[in-house]
Amino acid sequence: DTGVSQNPRHKITKRGQNVTFRCDPISEHNRLYWYRQTLGQGPEFLTYFQNEAQLEKSRLLSDRFSAERPKGSFSTLEIQRTEQGDSAMYLCASSSPGGHQETQYFGPGTRLLVL
Amino acid sequence: AQKITQTQPGMFVQEKEAVTLDCTYDTSDPSYGLFWYKQPSSGEMIFLIYQGSYDQQNATEGRYSLNFQKARKSANLVISASQLGDSAMYFCAMSTSGGSNYKLTFGKGTLLTVNP
Repeated sequence: DTGVSQNPRHKITKRGQNVTFRCDPISEHNRLYWYRQTLGQGPEFLTYFQNEAQLEKSRLLSDRFSAERPKGSFSTLEIQRTEQGDSAMYLCASSSPGGHQETQYFGPGTRLLVL
Repeated sequence: AQKITQTQPGMFVQEKEAVTLDCTYDTSDPSYGLFWYKQPSSGEMIFLIYQGSYDQQNATEGRYSLNFQKARKSANLVISASQLGDSAMYFCAMSTSGGSNYKLTFGKGTLLTVNP
């Protein structure tokens, strides 16, 4: 039983570069969430997929951010023209339907540092 | 709007003692879920325990229990018989629904240190 995996675990990039993160959810989970966590804060919701459909995006997700989940399996989060304020931990979580009882299982996260 | 408040930035406890981590929430939804997650220094969020808004009994999972007081809108986590491995950040979260999206709203967390 494999959990949620994320790659890379760490990414250092220069301002203005593009970066892409990958998330592989638990295989039977059709729901996938991306969160962002900055230092000293709890995670904040970015976007949500049910199967391959992106159903909600937070206002935190500027037009430099794009997320996909082709075929409803793995997901990618791309940040274009990175800024220093994008430095954060990016967490992916997956779940299966259960209403308010559904438990989201998180991956180990990708730590992004923009220089 | 939903909000989670964790007023304890840091807590210390002696090994084998019990500790309570505070969490209060605010929502106008009658139906919601409350969760606690543990985040070690490695960064992964580990699910600990869940409490539903309509559950009559407090949730328990091994050494973890949730003291749910609905009228006070509080959902405190109790860890019994603390272990050194319990040292970590602890986050309280609430699920908020929008269609099929049960995204989580998190508090700022409490850093727990277990002393030998």
